[in-house]
Amino acid sequence: AQSVTQLDSHVSVSEGTPVLLRCNYSSSYSPSLFWYVQHPNKGLQLLLKYTSAATLVKGINGFEAEFKKSETSFHLTKPSAHMSDAAEYFCVVSDDQAGTALIFGKGTTLSVSS
Amino acid sequence: DADVTQTPRNRITKTGKRIMLECSQTKGHDRMYWYRQDPGLGLRLIYYSFDVKDINKGEISDGYSVSRQAQAKFSLSLESAIPNQTALYFCATSERTGGTDTQYFGPGTRLTVL
Repeated sequence: AQSVTQLDSHVSVSEGTPVLLRCNYSSSYSPSLFWYVQHPNKGLQLLLKYTSAATLVKGINGFEAEFKKSETSFHLTKPSAHMSDAAEYFCVVSDDQAGTALIFGKGTTLSVSS
Repeated sequence: DADVTQTPRNRITKTGKRIMLECSQTKGHDRMYWYRQDPGLGLRLIYYSFDVKDINKGEISDGYSVSRQAQAKFSLSLESAIPNQTALYFCATSERTGGTDTQYFGPGTRLTVL
């Protein structure tokens, strides 16, 4: 069975410094992996997705994530945080072979201070 | 106009009442999903439907039922609401392309059961 673990429930950074949100996954098959962002009182927006085409995936708003099969990780990074990046971020795994729906991590809240 | 809409956006009800949450989409996707979000738990799948004649239970279907009235409409019902069903509910749609589902979420319905 597939699962996903977000290693930090809360990350705090200063504006202009790098962002790292960590995610490990477990899947019986080659997974598809996603990062979604949820701003306060808003729905979920897709940041980026990995579908085996390339291990380094670029998303919106300057975010990117690297798929590392040997480490079963899919960490989200951004070189320079902006105040508008403050939100909750979800790492998500999909078991494509089974065709089932998504499995969400419990989320990481990113705080950005000026 | 939003591709995935949910009504109502907010609802307060009493224990024992029957509640229906509605979801409509204009994306033309066959697959639709209902999730609930609780603080610190991420999103958990309640039900999903891969087409009009297909309904499947998710991780936490007890106490809920669904109806897929058309490709574009997927309703979630709480037959007899209880306080621990207080949560934020999301509808999502997806289409399967290149072996991968990418899900798109509605804005959410905040339900409070007193």
